[in-house]
Amino acid sequence: QSVLTQPPSVSADPGQKVTISCSGSSSNIGSNYVSWYQQLPGTAPKLVIVDDYQRPSGIPDRFSGSKSGTSVTLGITGLQAGDEAYYYCGSWDRSLDMFVFGGGTKLTVL
Amino acid sequence: QVHLVQSGAEAKRPGASVTVSCETSGYTFTDCYIHWVRQAPGQGLEWLGWMSTKSGVTKYARKFQGRVTLTRDTSISTAYMDLTNLRADDTAVYWCARVGPRRNDFFDYWGQGALVTVSS
Repeated sequence: QSVLTQPPSVSADPGQKVTISCSGSSSNIGSNYVSWYQQLPGTAPKLVIVDDYQRPSGIPDRFSGSKSGTSVTLGITGLQAGDEAYYYCGSWDRSLDMFVFGGGTKLTVL
Repeated sequence: QVHLVQSGAEAKRPGASVTVSCETSGYTFTDCYIHWVRQAPGQGLEWLGWMSTKSGVTKYARKFQGRVTLTRDTSISTAYMDLTNLRADDTAVYWCARVGPRRNDFFDYWGQGALVTVSS
């Protein structure tokens, strides 16, 4: 069981918007920044959102992040086939004193 | 341009040890911590620990304490992960990942990964 909880899968049509939730607690999301990673099949994860909602250089503004309390949400608009991947949220957990990831969400572009 | 290049795939017997290297370039090695993350087949991401590349101070996930050791050689900008007493469930892809400068809570560059297979 992952410390951060994500839905196993989400899907949407090309061009549409999708959101992926990530729920935690006061010891992780509630008190630390969250980052999001995109993992295409057979590749290393890639940072797409940092510090809850900031986009690293080179990440299109179709990707967004938001935070409310102990939950965060990744949003992707204008879905493209190339967005089909697993997405992981991650944060430092001060109680466990370790970095924790969500279990991952598989995004399918229909 | 920042690059992290890891050593190749390894096949090990249960009880053996493995060392994975992570050669960095394109930035000042001692400016950024290095973390290690693994992913078992069909599973999610699992954090192993971090190392200060400047001081050598390390922090390990409790699950791996006593079995994992992170080291570095600053002269060649390379980090190493040693995992001992390997078990079948240590079979995974192991990544090194750089954290942002002056930060220790997100991973902006990753190695290509090294598959470690543990089987008798």
